[in-house]
Amino acid sequence: EDKVVQSPLSLVVHEGDTVTLNCSYEVTNFRSLLWYKQEKKAPTFLFMLTSSGIEKKSGRLSSILDKKELFSILNITATQTGDSAIYLCAVGSSSNTGKLIFGQGTTLQVKP
Amino acid sequence: GAVVSQHPSRVICKSGTSVKIECRSLDFQATTMFWYRQFPKQSLMLMATSNEGSKATYEQGVEKDKFLINHASLTLSTLTVTSAHPEDSSFYICSARGQTSTDTQYFGPGTRLTVL
Repeated sequence: EDKVVQSPLSLVVHEGDTVTLNCSYEVTNFRSLLWYKQEKKAPTFLFMLTSSGIEKKSGRLSSILDKKELFSILNITATQTGDSAIYLCAVGSSSNTGKLIFGQGTTLQVKP
Repeated sequence: GAVVSQHPSRVICKSGTSVKIECRSLDFQATTMFWYRQFPKQSLMLMATSNEGSKATYEQGVEKDKFLINHASLTLSTLTVTSAHPEDSSFYICSARGQTSTDTQYFGPGTRLTVL
């Protein structure tokens, strides 16, 4: 059965800290891995990764994929209170007709 | 770009009534739309996949007669919760995918349904 596992499930840090969120997967016919940020409403898209070893970066956020070890990490540097959210990892498969398999999410709280 | 709207954002209804939720892709054509349900402090649970002009594909355990999905155009999909009961109270989120070559889904803002 396909599955996506995120860790940790929750994390509390202080402003300025750097955090690393983990996502491991076991999915048949892997095609892509996506990261989303969910605040009070629906998820907003952060990154889509398809190739191993190529870092994607947007401001203080960056992500990389390891297709050999079947995981991805999302890094946030110099965290701010506005980074507090649930971070969702999802995997797409070419055998899944476009469906995404979501992990449980990591709840990040950044304290002032 | 890639904006998805959802309406209404919040609805309260009496038990036994039906509620329709609309999902629109505003600046792109969505070949596929997805409907999710999310319980507090939990991840997204896919309910069904909807392709324009064809019947929706429901996930195991989701009652197709209770959750009616219509995808009449490339920019609009609707979810109707029929004969709603308190246990149907939840946060319903739609997403849309443009091209079939990408897995990226763009999410609507969600609809909070409360059934009294």
